[in-house]
Amino acid sequence: DAKTTQPPSMDCAEGRAANLPCNHSTISGNEYVYWYRQIHSQGPQYIIHGLKNNETNEMASLIITEDRKSSTLILPHATLRDTAVYYCIVRVYNTDKLIFGTGTRLQVFP
Amino acid sequence: SAVISQKPSRDICQRGTSLTIQCQVDSQVTMMFWYRQQPGQSLTLIATANQGSEATYESGFVIDKFPISRPNLTFSTLTVSNMSPEDSSIYLCSVSWTETQYFGPGTRLLVL
Repeated sequence: DAKTTQPPSMDCAEGRAANLPCNHSTISGNEYVYWYRQIHSQGPQYIIHGLKNNETNEMASLIITEDRKSSTLILPHATLRDTAVYYCIVRVYNTDKLIFGTGTRLQVFP
Repeated sequence: SAVISQKPSRDICQRGTSLTIQCQVDSQVTMMFWYRQQPGQSLTLIATANQGSEATYESGFVIDKFPISRPNLTFSTLTVSNMSPEDSSIYLCSVSWTETQYFGPGTRLLVL
């Protein structure tokens, strides 16, 4: 199973863009990258996913490098409510299984 | 998105007893998953539950300890058997829905 590596913690000022990096150098060509976040031990919340193209939705943007070995989640205007643990996950090929890593704890400060 | 509920939301149990956690989803789904999140840790997949077949357990988890039922396409249960304090965790179910997994709110279990 492809593993992901994320920084354990990051800070971001409110109103600024939060850029969360993820390394997934062993990803296979048909494996998707998913991002979830978990606020205060609630159930993880889906943010976005992608295969090779950049993706954007109402919550965030996902930038995947051309070689697919890394990606960046961008929260364009971080708010205090974006403080959470963010998980970058590579979905196991040919299954729906998600294997969680340790994630990045994002702290948004005023 | 799929809406998922879990019961109970939290419980305090005595060691040696068992607790059954229920997961209900508002849509018919093929695949449901059970996760455990120990204090301060990330989520660990326990098993995959498909309707009409036996659950598939991940390494380190066994059916005798975590029996799972999946009687229909909207419901599943996870039982935590013969509990010890090490079983104190948040237990979460999730469902696979249109390429995405959606998670329930979790069941917070404390074993004394």
